[in-house]
Amino acid sequence: LAKTTQPISMDSYEGQEVNITCSHNNIATNDYITWYQQFPSQGPRFIIQGYKTKVTNEVASLFIPADRKSSTLSLPRVSLSDTAVYYCLVGEDDYKLSFGAGTTVTVRA
Amino acid sequence: DGGITQSPKYLFRKEGQNVTLSCEQNLNHDAMYWYRQDPGQGLRLIYYSQIVNDFQKGDIAEGYSVSREKKESFPLTVTSAQKNPTAFYLCASSIDTRQGVGNEQFFGPGTRLTVL
Repeated sequence: LAKTTQPISMDSYEGQEVNITCSHNNIATNDYITWYQQFPSQGPRFIIQGYKTKVTNEVASLFIPADRKSSTLSLPRVSLSDTAVYYCLVGEDDYKLSFGAGTTVTVRA
Repeated sequence: DGGITQSPKYLFRKEGQNVTLSCEQNLNHDAMYWYRQDPGQGLRLIYYSQIVNDFQKGDIAEGYSVSREKKESFPLTVTSAQKNPTAFYLCASSIDTRQGVGNEQFFGPGTRLTVL
């Protein structure tokens, strides 16, 4: 299983851009990179998924370099409501994904 | 509204009792999953089911059992053999188990089980 490493926590202020980098050095050829967001006492929510290069949706952008050994989730202009835990997952099948401790992002006014 | 529901939201049981957590989805998804989350930790996979009448053990299946008799339902039983059952339990579903564009897991609101 591809193991991921991401920072334990990050602090930011409203209106700033938050970038969370995830390392996955042993990513396999068929693995996708997926990010989820979780608020306290709720189930995680899918944010974005990619395989290579850049993916953008209405919530975030995902940057994946050519070697795919890392990825960066970018949250533009965060607000207080973006305070949550963000999980980086790598895998080919859902049942092989590992939700580690994630990155706790705290947005301050 | 399409979605995934779990009931109850909070559940209290005495030690030694079996308890069943409900999970229902009306998304017409083939795959369903059960996770356990302890305070400050990530999610750990208990069981998953790729299709009706089939299920597989995840990373921490000991002390748990499941059934998948209907596509929309995937109940989890926490048995008395589970040594530390107090936790937050999350159910999820997806179109199928393969990762890929458009195939995400949808999570329910969770059930917080406390064993007294």
